[in-house]
Amino acid sequence: DTAVSQTPKYLVTQMGNDKSIKCEQNLGHDTMYWYKQDSKKFLKIMFSYNNKELIINETVPNRFSPKSPDKAHLNLHINSLELGDSAVYFCASSQAIRNQPQHFGDGTRLSIL
Amino acid sequence: GIQVEQSPPDLILQEGANSTLRCNFSDSVNNLQWFHQNPWGQLINLFYIPSGTKQNGRLSATTVATERYSLLYISSSQTTDSGVYFCAVAPSGGSYIPTFGRGTSLIVHP
Repeated sequence: DTAVSQTPKYLVTQMGNDKSIKCEQNLGHDTMYWYKQDSKKFLKIMFSYNNKELIINETVPNRFSPKSPDKAHLNLHINSLELGDSAVYFCASSQAIRNQPQHFGDGTRLSIL
Repeated sequence: GIQVEQSPPDLILQEGANSTLRCNFSDSVNNLQWFHQNPWGQLINLFYIPSGTKQNGRLSATTVATERYSLLYISSSQTTDSGVYFCAVAPSGGSYIPTFGRGTSLIVHP
């Protein structure tokens, strides 16, 4: 069983489109995260939710909107996609917000044409 | 925010060699993890080690929290060890923002 699963694995789309990435964890964790990994492999946190409540929002354009329908799911919706949004997006979860290891999904590679 | 520096940025080894990767951080932390990003892009948990020493097979890690660094040791390296090794930390106080270092890119030649 995959602990943290993201769909889709690959997403190729045109500039200006709207797209969503889904994430689900079956670990029973309370906290979930979205990270962006750029072309230089730098990983930066975008958002974090704890028990469906937004707790971290790191200077991300408001074209990015996370949604957590329940503790096990954290989806990422992106409006009006731009070339600079091309990256690998990783979802992660941890048992709690502090003092707990994070477990990562396999990533979604987003390419904007 | 907290600063995380990893060294060396790049490392090339012959199979069988040993290596030490370093992670320095600028503030006290209560969360430190080492990850291996394999050539397929997956982030694999290696160690959760905010302090102390742990070993898992050929890999071991030590964090000296009071001196603000962590070391990852790879012994008898294999080609499958190739990839990027990341250190990620979160500060003890203030806002909890997990921060990654820029990684050490390791290539192990047969």
